[in-house]
Amino acid sequence: NAGVTQTPKFQVLKTGQSMTLQCAQDMNHEYMSWYRQDPGMGLRLIHYSVGAGITDQGEVPNGYNVSRSTTEDFPLRLLSAAPSQTSVYFCASRRALMGTDTQYFGPGTRLTVL
Amino acid sequence: RKEVEQDPGPFNVPEGATVAFNCTYSNSASQSFFWYRQDCRKEPKLLMSVYSSGNEDGRFTAQLNRASQYISLLIRDSKLSDSATYLCVVVGGATNKLIFGTGTLLAVQP
Repeated sequence: NAGVTQTPKFQVLKTGQSMTLQCAQDMNHEYMSWYRQDPGMGLRLIHYSVGAGITDQGEVPNGYNVSRSTTEDFPLRLLSAAPSQTSVYFCASRRALMGTDTQYFGPGTRLTVL
Repeated sequence: RKEVEQDPGPFNVPEGATVAFNCTYSNSASQSFFWYRQDCRKEPKLLMSVYSSGNEDGRFTAQLNRASQYISLLIRDSKLSDSATYLCVVVGGATNKLIFGTGTLLAVQP
């Protein structure tokens, strides 16, 4: 199993550009989520999904869109990048929303918006 | 008040020392608690779950105090390889989402 994979590892954007961060998992997990991590702020939940076709907003959803057309994939779209979106983005998955299963993280995407 | 609070550190300790971290949480309805470890520029990884009765995994001991709403992590006989950021995680109430603390940085010195 590859676990949770993310691409790209690094990205530099100009203000106003759009892009998609890719996330995939091969563990057949229902629950997937996106976090951003900023110094002194901890990991903050952007969006999450409890299964294919179902998504919901987390703590900091503004400026981001998600979709979940398959169990495996959960891409994060930045609609119009802003410098405030400079951050490290982690995708994560676990078996289901309920329960206490381990949550696995991808290796992260380091995004800089100029 | 933050939902999960940790002392950011850094904790600088010599090899072989015992070090303890505390974490407080605000939601008394929280049901599950974890410690994650995050190495520099890497993703967080589960270190251990925290059970009401306390639990131990080798040199690591985790404890939960529901009355005072805090969890703790004790590391005995610190190794250089223990240097990392330790994230306190609380599973919040009805939503069952993971709430992360900002992390405590541990640096073990030779």
